[in-house]
Amino acid sequence: GENVEQHPSTLSVQEGDSAVIKCTYSDSASNYFPWYKQELGKRPQLIIDIRSNVGEKKDQRIAVTLNKTAKHFSLHITETQPEDSAVYFCAAILTGTASKLTFGTGTRLQVTL
Amino acid sequence: ETGVTQSPTHLIKTRGQQVTLRCSSQSGHNTVSWYQQALGQGPQFIFQYYREEENGRGNFPPRFSGLQFPNYSSELNVNALELDDSALYLCASSETGEGETQYFGPGTRLLVL
Repeated sequence: GENVEQHPSTLSVQEGDSAVIKCTYSDSASNYFPWYKQELGKRPQLIIDIRSNVGEKKDQRIAVTLNKTAKHFSLHITETQPEDSAVYFCAAILTGTASKLTFGTGTRLQVTL
Repeated sequence: ETGVTQSPTHLIKTRGQQVTLRCSSQSGHNTVSWYQQALGQGPQFIFQYYREEENGRGNFPPRFSGLQFPNYSSELNVNALELDDSALYLCASSETGEGETQYFGPGTRLLVL
């Protein structure tokens, strides 16, 4: 089955700096890669996703890149703000089958003033 | 916020008891997936229901069972509760059972004593 590794487990940046979170997946057939943000005590919230036919996707301060050859995808947050502080999860899935999202272990991002 | 709702929000049970958790999917979604999220971990896939049929299962024992109703709401039942079942239980709804974007509910936090 799919296995997703995520690094780093914790990340502390100063407000205004950029943050990068990296994930690798094991199943080369996986073709959809969402990122979720989970604030303390709240539901995982989809913030951006990318499909395997695209190498990069951007939405305001958030971008995701995908390297299918290396089975690697990354989340980039620019101009970080205190409200970006949360746990971020990457996930991978092969669409067209039972929609079993396989999640990474999470990255706790702390944005300090 | 998504249109996915869950009840109850919190629950305390003792070992050996049984529990039923409920999820209402977002309007227009016919697929519900259930995940278990232990403290400090990423969500783990339990199973998925698509048009009232189980459509994939993760590595959870048979005492975890489910149901989906004609209105696409769903139940997760856990029998013979164990201490390790203490976790946040999340449901996610999607438009189809083929890997479309999944939107999470707020979760039910279960504590087994």
